[in-house]
Amino acid sequence: AQRVTQPEKLLSVFKGAPVELKCNYSYSGSPELFWYVQYSRQRLQLLLRHISRESIKGFTADLNKGETSFHLKKPFAQEEDSAMYYCALSGPGGGSQGNLIFGKGTKLSVKP
Amino acid sequence: ETGVTQSPTHLIKTRGQQVTLRCSSQSGHNTVSWYQQALGQGPQFIFQYYREEENGRGNFPPRFSGLQFPNYSSELNVNALELDDSALYLCASSHGAGGLYYEQYFGPGTRLTVT
Repeated sequence: AQRVTQPEKLLSVFKGAPVELKCNYSYSGSPELFWYVQYSRQRLQLLLRHISRESIKGFTADLNKGETSFHLKKPFAQEEDSAMYYCALSGPGGGSQGNLIFGKGTKLSVKP
Repeated sequence: ETGVTQSPTHLIKTRGQQVTLRCSSQSGHNTVSWYQQALGQGPQFIFQYYREEENGRGNFPPRFSGLQFPNYSSELNVNALELDDSALYLCASSHGAGGLYYEQYFGPGTRLTVT
């Protein structure tokens, strides 16, 4: 079954420290993976997608098919990075349906 | 550009009742997806509508149904409400039906409480 696992409910780091939010997935086929973010009192929004291979707000994520992981990383955390982060997988049928399978989310707290 | 809007913001219903939630898609978008987010969980896909046709469905019973109108706005209907239906319902719109290439823009959600 297709599944996304985010093992940490809460991750707390100090400003300037590196941060890594873990995401593991289970998928039969070629997955497409995304990271979504929800800042306080804002709506869920796309942070980055695997296919774009881009860096957004200093965050990067590398797809490791061998370890079935798509961890989100940032070398120096900022207080404004504090938010809820969701890893998501493009569901069965890939792009034809557009349904996303989300993990349970990790709350990132960056302390001053 | 107007973003995705949802109404109502929140509502309370009694078990067994029926509810209709509404979503207005972002300008220029023809696809709407609905998600259910229970407390402490990630969003779970309910179904998607593309150009007024259902274009995929998650693992939800038939009492969850939907519509998409010619202006691409959408409704989610839930019959015979159960306590477990209490959740945040999210609507997301996109330019096309392929989630791989078309970014989904989310609305603020409707908080449904079933008592």
